[in-house]
Amino acid sequence: SQTIHQWPATLVQPVGSPLSLECTVEGTSNPNLYWYRQAAGRGLQLLFYSVGIGQISSEVPQNLSASRPQDRQFILSSKKLLLSDSGFYLCAWSVQGQPNTYEQYFGPGTRLTVT
Amino acid sequence: AQTVTQSQPEMSVQEAETVTLSCTYDTSENNYYLFWYKQPPSRQMILVIRQEAYKQQNATENRFSVNFQKAAKSFSLKISDSQLGDTAMYFCAFFRYNFNKFYFGSGTKLNVKP
Repeated sequence: SQTIHQWPATLVQPVGSPLSLECTVEGTSNPNLYWYRQAAGRGLQLLFYSVGIGQISSEVPQNLSASRPQDRQFILSSKKLLLSDSGFYLCAWSVQGQPNTYEQYFGPGTRLTVT
Repeated sequence: AQTVTQSQPEMSVQEAETVTLSCTYDTSENNYYLFWYKQPPSRQMILVIRQEAYKQQNATENRFSVNFQKAAKSFSLKISDSQLGDTAMYFCAFFRYNFNKFYFGSGTKLNVKP
Protein backbone atom coordinates (compact mmCIF):
# COMPACT_ATOMS: atom_id res chain seq x y z
CA SER A 1 0.00 0.00 0.00
CA GLN A 2 1.04 3.58 -0.53
CA THR A 3 2.02 5.94 2.24
CA ILE A 4 3.12 9.52 2.32
CA HIS A 5 5.38 11.02 4.95
CA GLN A 6 6.09 14.59 5.86
CA TRP A 7 8.61 15.99 8.29
CA PRO A 8 8.98 17.71 10.49
CA ALA A 9 5.47 17.64 11.95
CA THR A 10 5.92 21.04 13.57
CA LEU A 11 8.50 23.75 13.13
CA VAL A 12 9.13 27.12 14.72
CA GLN A 13 11.57 29.31 12.84
CA PRO A 14 12.62 32.97 13.16
CA VAL A 15 12.06 35.44 10.38
CA GLY A 16 14.90 35.39 7.89
CA SER A 17 15.94 31.82 8.58
CA PRO A 18 15.98 29.10 5.90
CA LEU A 19 13.39 26.39 5.51
CA SER A 20 13.37 22.84 4.27
CA LEU A 21 10.28 20.64 4.42
CA GLU A 22 10.43 17.13 3.09
CA CYS A 23 7.81 14.84 1.65
CA THR A 24 8.33 11.24 0.57
CA VAL A 25 5.94 8.74 -0.93
CA GLU A 26 6.22 4.98 -0.63
CA GLY A 27 4.56 2.20 -2.55
CA THR A 28 4.13 3.89 -5.90
CA SER A 29 6.29 5.17 -8.71
CA ASN A 30 6.24 8.29 -10.85
CA PRO A 31 3.52 10.05 -8.87
CA ASN A 32 2.32 13.60 -9.37
CA LEU A 33 3.41 15.55 -6.29
CA TYR A 34 1.92 18.71 -4.83
CA TRP A 35 2.64 21.26 -2.10
CA TYR A 36 -0.25 23.17 -0.57
CA ARG A 37 -0.41 25.81 2.13
CA GLN A 38 -3.37 26.23 4.40
CA ALA A 39 -3.55 29.45 6.38
CA ALA A 40 -5.50 29.43 9.64
CA GLY A 41 -9.21 28.86 8.94
CA ARG A 42 -8.67 28.99 5.19
CA GLY A 43 -8.73 26.65 2.24
CA LEU A 44 -5.83 25.05 0.46
CA GLN A 45 -3.60 27.12 -1.77
CA LEU A 46 -1.60 25.19 -4.36
CA LEU A 47 2.04 26.25 -4.22
CA PHE A 48 3.90 23.82 -6.48
CA TYR A 49 3.29 20.64 -8.39
CA SER A 50 5.56 18.18 -10.15
CA VAL A 51 4.94 15.51 -12.75
CA GLY A 52 8.48 14.15 -12.70
CA ILE A 53 12.03 14.47 -11.40
CA GLY A 54 13.27 18.01 -11.83
CA GLN A 55 9.94 19.19 -13.23
CA ILE A 56 8.39 21.85 -11.01
CA SER A 57 5.50 24.17 -11.74
CA SER A 58 5.00 27.17 -9.51
CA GLU A 59 1.52 28.48 -8.91
CA VAL A 60 2.13 31.46 -6.66
CA PRO A 61 5.12 33.84 -6.85
CA GLN A 62 6.69 33.99 -3.43
CA ASN A 63 9.92 33.39 -1.57
CA LEU A 64 9.38 29.63 -1.57
CA SER A 65 10.83 27.09 -3.97
CA ALA A 66 10.39 23.38 -4.54
CA SER A 67 12.58 20.60 -5.80
CA ARG A 68 12.14 16.96 -6.73
CA PRO A 69 15.55 15.33 -6.55
CA GLN A 70 14.15 11.80 -6.63
CA ASP A 71 11.02 10.22 -8.03
CA ARG A 72 9.21 10.04 -4.70
CA GLN A 73 10.78 12.95 -2.85
CA PHE A 74 9.46 16.49 -2.89
CA ILE A 75 11.13 19.31 -0.96
CA LEU A 76 9.81 22.76 -0.12
CA SER A 77 12.45 25.37 0.65
CA SER A 78 13.02 28.98 1.44
CA LYS A 79 16.23 30.98 1.82
CA LYS A 80 14.63 33.58 4.11
CA LEU A 81 11.31 33.02 5.85
CA LEU A 82 8.71 35.76 6.20
CA LEU A 83 6.05 36.05 8.88
CA SER A 84 3.46 35.45 6.17
CA ASP A 85 4.95 32.00 5.51
CA SER A 86 3.37 30.69 8.70
CA GLY A 87 0.74 28.06 8.06
CA PHE A 88 0.01 24.40 7.63
CA TYR A 89 1.83 22.80 4.72
CA LEU A 90 0.40 19.75 3.07
CA CYS A 91 2.08 17.46 0.59
CA ALA A 92 -0.06 15.30 -1.66
CA TRP A 93 0.38 12.79 -4.42
CA SER A 94 -1.75 11.39 -7.19
CA VAL A 95 -1.44 8.64 -9.75
CA GLN A 96 -0.15 9.32 -13.23
CA GLY A 97 -1.54 7.40 -16.13
CA GLN A 98 -4.39 4.95 -16.21
CA PRO A 99 -6.43 3.63 -14.53
CA ASN A 100 -6.95 6.86 -12.71
CA THR A 101 -9.60 8.30 -10.49
CA TYR A 102 -7.50 11.46 -10.05
CA GLU A 103 -7.80 11.33 -6.30
CA GLN A 104 -5.15 13.15 -4.28
CA TYR A 105 -3.67 11.50 -1.19
CA PHE A 106 -2.47 13.84 1.49
CA GLY A 107 0.31 13.66 4.00
CA PRO A 108 -0.11 14.48 7.69
CA GLY A 109 1.14 18.03 7.20
CA THR A 110 3.72 20.34 8.77
CA ARG A 111 2.71 23.22 11.00
CA LEU A 112 5.14 26.07 10.46
CA THR A 113 5.25 29.07 12.77
CA VAL A 114 7.51 31.94 11.81
CA THR A 115 8.33 34.18 14.75
CA ALA B 1 -10.17 30.77 -14.46
CA GLN B 2 -11.31 27.86 -12.38
CA THR B 3 -12.93 28.83 -9.08
CA VAL B 4 -14.66 26.86 -6.37
CA THR B 5 -17.06 28.60 -3.99
CA GLN B 6 -18.34 27.32 -0.70
CA SER B 7 -20.76 29.92 0.57
CA GLN B 8 -21.30 28.43 4.02
CA PRO B 9 -18.29 29.10 6.27
CA GLU B 10 -19.82 27.22 9.18
CA MET B 11 -22.80 24.95 9.80
CA SER B 12 -24.23 22.99 12.69
CA VAL B 13 -26.42 19.90 12.72
CA GLN B 14 -27.86 17.70 15.42
CA GLU B 15 -26.62 14.17 15.65
CA ALA B 16 -28.68 11.76 13.46
CA GLU B 17 -30.07 14.57 11.31
CA THR B 18 -29.27 15.37 7.69
CA VAL B 19 -27.22 18.30 6.49
CA THR B 20 -26.32 19.59 3.03
CA LEU B 21 -23.14 21.48 2.23
CA SER B 22 -23.12 23.68 -0.86
CA CYS B 23 -20.47 24.06 -3.51
CA THR B 24 -20.46 25.84 -6.84
CA TYR B 25 -17.67 26.03 -9.37
CA ASP B 26 -16.83 27.89 -12.49
CA THR B 27 -15.20 26.30 -15.51
CA SER B 28 -15.42 26.33 -19.26
CA GLU B 29 -14.28 22.72 -19.54
CA ASN B 30 -16.57 19.80 -20.13
CA ASN B 31 -14.58 16.96 -18.59
CA TYR B 32 -13.41 17.15 -15.02
CA TYR B 33 -13.73 15.54 -11.62
CA LEU B 34 -15.23 16.87 -8.42
CA PHE B 35 -14.35 15.82 -4.90
CA TRP B 36 -15.35 16.40 -1.33
CA TYR B 37 -12.57 16.12 1.24
CA LYS B 38 -12.93 16.09 5.00
CA GLN B 39 -10.37 17.56 7.39
CA PRO B 40 -11.05 16.58 11.01
CA PRO B 41 -9.26 18.28 13.93
CA SER B 42 -6.28 15.99 13.29
CA ARG B 43 -5.78 18.02 10.06
CA GLN B 44 -5.49 14.82 7.97
CA MET B 45 -7.27 15.30 4.65
CA ILE B 46 -9.60 12.41 3.87
CA LEU B 47 -11.47 11.79 0.65
CA VAL B 48 -15.22 11.61 1.23
CA ILE B 49 -16.62 11.21 -2.26
CA ARG B 50 -15.80 11.82 -5.93
CA GLN B 51 -17.90 12.54 -9.02
CA GLU B 52 -16.90 12.28 -12.67
CA ALA B 53 -18.43 15.12 -14.66
CA TYR B 54 -19.38 12.82 -17.55
CA LYS B 55 -21.52 10.66 -15.27
CA GLN B 56 -25.07 11.81 -14.75
CA GLN B 57 -25.68 9.52 -11.81
CA ASN B 58 -24.95 11.12 -8.46
CA ALA B 59 -22.21 9.44 -6.45
CA THR B 60 -22.99 7.89 -3.08
CA GLU B 61 -20.77 6.49 -0.34
CA ASN B 62 -22.74 5.09 2.57
CA ARG B 63 -24.19 8.11 4.44
CA PHE B 64 -22.64 10.58 1.99
CA SER B 65 -24.19 11.51 -1.32
CA VAL B 66 -23.88 14.34 -3.78
CA ASN B 67 -26.30 16.34 -5.86
CA PHE B 68 -24.38 17.10 -9.04
CA GLN B 69 -26.02 19.65 -11.33
CA LYS B 70 -23.62 20.07 -14.22
CA ALA B 71 -25.52 22.80 -16.03
CA ALA B 72 -25.79 24.82 -12.85
CA LYS B 73 -22.18 23.95 -11.91
CA SER B 74 -23.32 22.89 -8.49
CA PHE B 75 -21.97 20.03 -6.40
CA SER B 76 -23.55 19.75 -2.95
CA LEU B 77 -22.77 17.13 -0.31
CA LYS B 78 -25.53 15.54 1.74
CA ILE B 79 -24.64 13.82 4.99
CA SER B 80 -27.39 11.61 6.34
CA ASP B 81 -27.66 10.36 9.92
CA SER B 82 -24.92 12.76 11.03
CA GLN B 83 -22.46 11.40 13.55
CA LEU B 84 -20.19 13.16 16.00
CA GLY B 85 -17.21 11.94 13.99
CA ASP B 86 -18.44 13.92 11.01
CA THR B 87 -17.36 17.11 12.78
CA ALA B 88 -14.70 18.54 10.49
CA MET B 89 -13.88 21.06 7.80
CA TYR B 90 -15.25 19.97 4.44
CA PHE B 91 -13.58 21.09 1.25
CA CYS B 92 -15.06 20.93 -2.21
CA ALA B 93 -12.44 20.44 -4.94
CA PHE B 94 -12.42 20.65 -8.72
CA PHE B 95 -9.85 18.66 -10.67
CA ARG B 96 -8.74 19.89 -14.05
CA TYR B 97 -7.11 16.74 -15.32
CA ASN B 98 -5.69 18.12 -18.53
CA PHE B 99 -3.55 20.31 -16.31
CA ASN B 100 -3.12 18.00 -13.29
CA LYS B 101 -4.44 20.72 -11.01
CA PHE B 102 -6.82 20.75 -8.09
CA TYR B 103 -8.76 23.83 -7.05
CA PHE B 104 -10.15 23.87 -3.55
CA GLY B 105 -12.95 25.89 -2.01
CA SER B 106 -12.43 27.79 1.23
CA GLY B 107 -14.16 25.10 3.25
CA THR B 108 -17.24 24.66 5.44
CA LYS B 109 -16.77 23.95 9.10
CA LEU B 110 -19.38 21.39 10.16
CA ASN B 111 -20.18 20.92 13.83
CA VAL B 112 -22.28 17.90 14.74
CA LYS B 113 -23.97 18.45 18.08
CA PRO B 114 -24.96 15.63 20.45
